[in-house]
Amino acid sequence: EVQLVESGGGLVQPGRSLRLSCTTSGFNFGDFAMSWVRQAPGKGLEWVGFIRSKGFAAATEYAASVRGRFTISRDDSKSIAYLQMNSLKAEDTAVYYCTRGRGGIEYWGQGSLVIVSS
Amino acid sequence: DIVMTQSPDSLAVSLGERATINCKSSQTVLYSSSNKNYLAWYRQKPGQPPKLLIYWASTRESGVPDRISGSGSGTDFTLSISSLQAEDVAVYYCQQYYTTPYTFGQGTKLEIK
Repeated sequence: EVQLVESGGGLVQPGRSLRLSCTTSGFNFGDFAMSWVRQAPGKGLEWVGFIRSKGFAAATEYAASVRGRFTISRDDSKSIAYLQMNSLKAEDTAVYYCTRGRGGIEYWGQGSLVIVSS
Repeated sequence: DIVMTQSPDSLAVSLGERATINCKSSQTVLYSSSNKNYLAWYRQKPGQPPKLLIYWASTRESGVPDRISGSGSGTDFTLSISSLQAEDVAVYYCQQYYTTPYTFGQGTKLEIK
């Protein structure tokens, strides 16, 4: 059974950093791209970015709203994907979902809530 | 960026009737060499992550009942739910994965009339 479990969310002050982890199981992690999607409270879905598999140089792409502040990485030995979030802003407050793949996403984690507030 | 616009924003349909949700992209999401539309539909219920219903615009995800169908090509797409059931109450999103950023529609809230 494919499982994706996010962790690391919480309350953080504006300008600070936070790292989310996505611990996976049930599939060959190294074969898949991993993506992050977020959802602000009461709002719609926003694509954050993805990281390709090592076979595609683990290349990354990001939404303009987070480019330069957020970094997606992966540790294939641990089957974990990461979302490093720096210089956080109030508008980054959201539930962050880890997902397997890039488009037509069939597997999603339950989400991790990040609240950016002083 | 490709802008995805769904209509309507909300709709109420009687049990057993058909619900239709539209999604329009600001540019084509049809990749000509493969003849595939890079368009997916999701359903999201409160407190849950989205669930994939349809990919490649019309391919039903495993386990999704055949009363749920997707159609369209290029820039105009439709999600149809025939014989509406109580379990279909949710917010529905389309998403293009033709080019980054992989944008979502704003969502359509489906309720029972």
